Amino acid sequence: ETGVTQSPTHLIKTRGQQVTLRCSSQSGHNTVSWYQQALGQGPQFIFQYYREEENGRGNFPPRFSGLQFPNYSSELNVNALELDDSALYLCASSPGTGKDTQYFGPGTRLTVL
Amino acid sequence: GENVEQHPSTLSVQEGDSAVIKCTYSDSASNYFPWYKQELGKGPQLIIDIRSNVGEKKDQRIAVTLNKTAKHFSLHITETQPEDSAVYFCAASMGSNYQLIWGAGTKLIIKP
Repeated sequence: ETGVTQSPTHLIKTRGQQVTLRCSSQSGHNTVSWYQQALGQGPQFIFQYYREEENGRGNFPPRFSGLQFPNYSSELNVNALELDDSALYLCASSPGTGKDTQYFGPGTRLTVL
Repeated sequence: GENVEQHPSTLSVQEGDSAVIKCTYSDSASNYFPWYKQELGKGPQLIIDIRSNVGEKKDQRIAVTLNKTAKHFSLHITETQPEDSAVYFCAASMGSNYQLIWGAGTKLIIKP
């Protein structure tokens, strides 16, 4: 086990709604990264937070936003859900920035109808 | 931007035989190359990683080799076992925040 937890496990939403996904990192890990994994594909980097500030962003629109809290928890928020947002959302924590190994949680499966 | 290609997409080997999965990357500045194993319904699990200042790394039945000149790296699994069946992903780091760029994955099937 990596010590990274995510909630909820599964979620069903309808197009246009908003969703919040949660992640709890390993204690002491200051960096959290979020990835989107479509079925049968590799994960795609959404963004990374380091000490509560965004530290890099992939090719995702602004309706994907995040927050990181001092207690090693974080959130991924997605507004105006689209059908293509259906995917497994993964968070990964690491001790700091730089050449750090990323430890993944089990993911949240989001289905948009 | 960085791109990572992974082959093959599916690999079927007899139990006890070796398996090799290959990846190529495009950005010569990439310097960190992890391999992850993902089982059905679970998040990716790191199995081995290598940094650009090392050519080879081994951990029991698993080894990774890196050829910086050719920009490719490979995962080698020896004496395969049924529990090795899973999807394997390679990745390469990119940028100052070391975000991972992933390959498309290889489904490894171990035949009894």
